[in-house]
Amino acid sequence: DVKVTQSSRYLVKRTGEKVFLECVQDMDHENMFWYRQDPGLGLRLIYFSYDVKMKEKGDIPEGYSVSREKKERFSLILESASTNQTSMYLCASSPTGGNIQYFGAGTRLSVL
Amino acid sequence: QKEVEQNSGPLSVPEGAIASLNCTYSDRGSQSFFWYRQYSGKSPELIMFIYSNGDKEDGRFTAQLNKASQYVSLLIRDSQPSDSATYLCAVMYGNKLVFGAGTILRVKS
Repeated sequence: DVKVTQSSRYLVKRTGEKVFLECVQDMDHENMFWYRQDPGLGLRLIYFSYDVKMKEKGDIPEGYSVSREKKERFSLILESASTNQTSMYLCASSPTGGNIQYFGAGTRLSVL
Repeated sequence: QKEVEQNSGPLSVPEGAIASLNCTYSDRGSQSFFWYRQYSGKSPELIMFIYSNGDKEDGRFTAQLNKASQYVSLLIRDSQPSDSATYLCAVMYGNKLVFGAGTILRVKS
């Protein structure tokens, strides 16, 4: 079974803090994704990566950055957290040429 | 802007009935379509995918695709209380998966 692990289920941070959300997958997938999910808006793509050290902006990249130093790990970084970044963050992975994405359990981030 | 539209619901059906969930999309060039189920507080899990016009059946689930009308639907036969969840429709646009906001399904016992 594909396993996508997100380091934290719940996080509470203060405005202005730098926040790291970590995601690790164990299926040697090339593609990794970060989404945020908000009520009524569905999942929105923040960033994705098709290879190590490669990244592409999704639909809502403002206020976020990412890092992919190793194939299995994809990190989402909030440089200076703001209250409007309070959300559920979901990481996903998929193999090259595969359209099916497998999701981690999610991190619910609250920025106070 | 690529769009995927779903009725937010909630859609309420009695146990044993057929639940019908619908989704429309904006780009005729889309080739791949997915249905994910998401229980409250959990992450989405894939239940069906469909690439070709027509029906695709898997157990109690049937996905239907009509590219000419740009809609995809999910039928759940013999609905069970355990089917109560949010169902997310997702459409592949190029190299990105775009999700609808989801339909809440409630199966009443």
